[in-house]
This record gives sequence, C-alpha cells and structure tokens, in this order.
Amino acid sequence: GQNIDQPTEMTATEGAIVQINCTYQTSGFNGLFWYQQHAGEAPTFLSYNVLDGLEEKGRFSSFLSRSKGYSYLLLKELQMKDSASYLCAVRGVAAGNKLTFGGGTRVLVKP
Amino acid sequence: EAGVVQSPRYKIIEKKQPVAFWCNPISGHNTLYWYLQNLGQGPELLIRYENEEAVDDSQLPKDRFSAERLKGVDSTLKIQPAELGDSAVYLCASSPSLGPNTEAFFGQGTRLTVV
Repeated sequence: GQNIDQPTEMTATEGAIVQINCTYQTSGFNGLFWYQQHAGEAPTFLSYNVLDGLEEKGRFSSFLSRSKGYSYLLLKELQMKDSASYLCAVRGVAAGNKLTFGGGTRVLVKP
Repeated sequence: EAGVVQSPRYKIIEKKQPVAFWCNPISGHNTLYWYLQNLGQGPELLIRYENEEAVDDSQLPKDRFSAERLKGVDSTLKIQPAELGDSAVYLCASSPSLGPNTEAFFGQGTRLTVV
C-alpha cells in the first residue's frame, strides 16, 4: 500500500517562511502533489513533482527526493490568507495510479 | 469553465435513512473520484471511475455504499442505511486522464451529518 506522513500542525508568523515536510512509501512512484485546503472548502492544486529537485511557483516551492521518499512544500513571505491545511498526495503505479493523500498539515499564520 | 459541481452542499439525516450525493465533473474529464474526508484528516478514496467503469472500489463499504456513473459523465454516491459514523464530507474530483501529471480538480463537497 501507500503510506504518507506529514506533521499535523504548524504555526508561523506573517512574513516568515514555513517548510512542510512529507515522507512517503509507495511502489512504482508516479508523482507527488501538494494541495491547499481552506476550512470548509475544496482542496486546490498547488504543485506537482515527479523528478528530483525544486519546483518554484511564486511564493510556493516544492522539493522532491525520490531516493529518500521525501518532499517538502516551502511557503515564503507568509500571508494571513495562507492559513489553511496543506495536503501531500502520492500517485503509485502499484496502487493503480490512484492518488493517496496524507492527513494534511494545518498551518496557522499569526500576525 | 465550470468546475466540479456537487449537490447538495449540506445534508442532515437520521441514522438508518438513505442518502444520495450527486457530482457533475468538469466537461471532458474521463476520471472521476469519490473521496471521504473526516474532520482534520486527508481525503480517503472510496471509488474511482474511468469513464463509466469503476476501476478501483476496494475502499468502498459495499454493504451500504453504492455508486454509479451512467454514460461516463455525472455520478451519484448512495448510502443505505446511513450510520452515525458516516458523518463526514464527501468530495468528488475529476481529472482529464490518468497521465502522471494530471492533477485532480475537487468539488466543494457535501457535508453529511447523521443524527
């Protein structure tokens, strides 16, 4: 099966940087996704990694190391609106390419 | 372009009653997912469709849950009879195909409360 671990909760200050780690175990890795979910709303796509390295999209960056089964999402210049849950999800060939989600990391941005 | 549409947004029912959720995916998306999300947790896959075929329903509690996707477009998820533990948000998502970099687009979800 697929196993995904990420911290439950993190707190950071407005303007700061926060790094959300995600470790995973899967057979036939076929991509890792990060989603943002505000309370009571649908998850929205943030980033996709399939090769090792860093993908940057404005204030958000995502890193992947396939050999370590590790990814992180980096949020820079934090804004109050970044308070949300951040979901790490992995696609594995052995699991029929289904998208399996971690439990999510709730980020609270304080003024 | 319209996103994934789900209805109803909220549903409150008594235990042992039936309930149904409806999902209209993004036009042209062949893959449709139903996820269950409990408070403070990540979404858990219930069933995945490729067009009208259910290709992964291993996590669907088939004694009380059923789903269909007639004509490979809209889908309904049914629970009969509902139990207290079924209270959760039911999310529908769709994607164009199973290409490796195709993300899933989620609907707003249906929040079910069983009392």
